[in-house]
Amino acid sequence: KAGVTQTPRYLIKTRGQQVTLSCSPISGHRSVSWYQQTPGQGLQFLFEYFSETQRNKGNFPGRFSGRQFSNSRSEMNVSTLELGDSALYLCASSLAAGAYEQYFGPGTRLTVT
Amino acid sequence: GIQVEQSPPDLILQEGANSTLRCNFSDSVNNLQWFHQNPWGQLINLFYIPSGTKQNGRLSATTVATERYSLLYISSSQTTDSGVYFCAVRETSGSRLTFGEGTQLTVNP
Repeated sequence: KAGVTQTPRYLIKTRGQQVTLSCSPISGHRSVSWYQQTPGQGLQFLFEYFSETQRNKGNFPGRFSGRQFSNSRSEMNVSTLELGDSALYLCASSLAAGAYEQYFGPGTRLTVT
Repeated sequence: GIQVEQSPPDLILQEGANSTLRCNFSDSVNNLQWFHQNPWGQLINLFYIPSGTKQNGRLSATTVATERYSLLYISSSQTTDSGVYFCAVRETSGSRLTFGEGTQLTVNP
């Protein structure tokens, strides 16, 4: 069974631009979560989606948004990019919402210049 | 929110040595996972262990939920074990994984 896939793997953007990252969960998994990893803040939760509904959102500004499609694929969008948004963005999938094991994708490394 | 503390923050070993990594958490959890982050950034699942003991080859883990800690044991360490090990927990009342700061393990030949 294929793992979690994320595209693109690397991205360079300029301040003020916007970016969309994509995540395809493991087949059969219906819950997708997003995390941001930076050297200073560690791994922080962004949002969780299940059945196309956002179930939870972390402490990030409104510039960070996401959505989930009917096939469970998810996208996250960051508008008006700032230098501090440079990070590794990780997507995780699990069977359903709740205390299920989460499996992570390889991540998208975003650099904002 | 729940607090997760990992110790030690850094660990340097000689190949063949054994080690124990610890994860303390501040509230009840219904999910605890151990991950190894590879050099390219991907989090590799080691254990899903909200309670009890599990073993997988040279690695084993124990979670004592009532005392709010988990231990990851690495025996006969190899250079390929190097990297960052993360503990992540999910509060019983929550829906997100909260990660510790990680333990940076270096295994020298």
